Amino acid sequence: DTGVSQDPRHKITKRGQNVTFRCDPISEHNRLYWYRQTLGQGPEFLTYFQNEAQLEKSRLLSDRFSAERPKGSFSTLEIQRTEQGDSAMYLCASGEGTMGYTFGSGTRLTVV
Amino acid sequence: RKEVEQDPGPFNVPEGATVAFNCTYSNSASQSFFWYRQDCRKEPKLLMSVYSSGNEDGRFTAQLNRASQYISLLIRDSKLSDSATYLCVVNKRDYKLSFGAGTTVTVRA
Repeated sequence: DTGVSQDPRHKITKRGQNVTFRCDPISEHNRLYWYRQTLGQGPEFLTYFQNEAQLEKSRLLSDRFSAERPKGSFSTLEIQRTEQGDSAMYLCASGEGTMGYTFGSGTRLTVV
Repeated sequence: RKEVEQDPGPFNVPEGATVAFNCTYSNSASQSFFWYRQDCRKEPKLLMSVYSSGNEDGRFTAQLNRASQYISLLIRDSKLSDSATYLCVVNKRDYKLSFGAGTTVTVRA
């Protein structure tokens, strides 16, 4: 598989529950990104990893959100105590250099 | 002010027509520019990079005007399969992409 993989594709959860998403980037890419997209909007930057180091976090990423990339390979994004406003598509992307990045298919989260 | 602004459209055009639209960006230090295509409920996919001298990829032509801080995309001989949302993307540094909200194009038979 040469693309970016995300799991799960869809997640429905009750408000207040914790959820965790996984992203497997393209293996030779050392940069990994998480974005969030809501209906009618473009993707919004959440956080970025260079190998295992998390180099930037958006102000959109409240303390309920945490992301990790152990060993510089796959990454996880956890949302604690989910709120209805967290409902969105969560997109992972990987890339190299200053070229455009490759996105995974996304995880669509619905908080009910 | 948003970093990247686009006319949301929609642009409804017949097959074979030419359609063009722009986006503007706010940060003059922006370094790299792209157009992404996004189909409904799918992930964005890179359509093309945008270079200072302008560039073509088949029926698609992209232009960059650094002085006025806008980027354009022109689609010639539109196909039904060109129906999508086109996202204007700007890279200020070498790791973070800023996206516009997208321009919706619908090509009708």
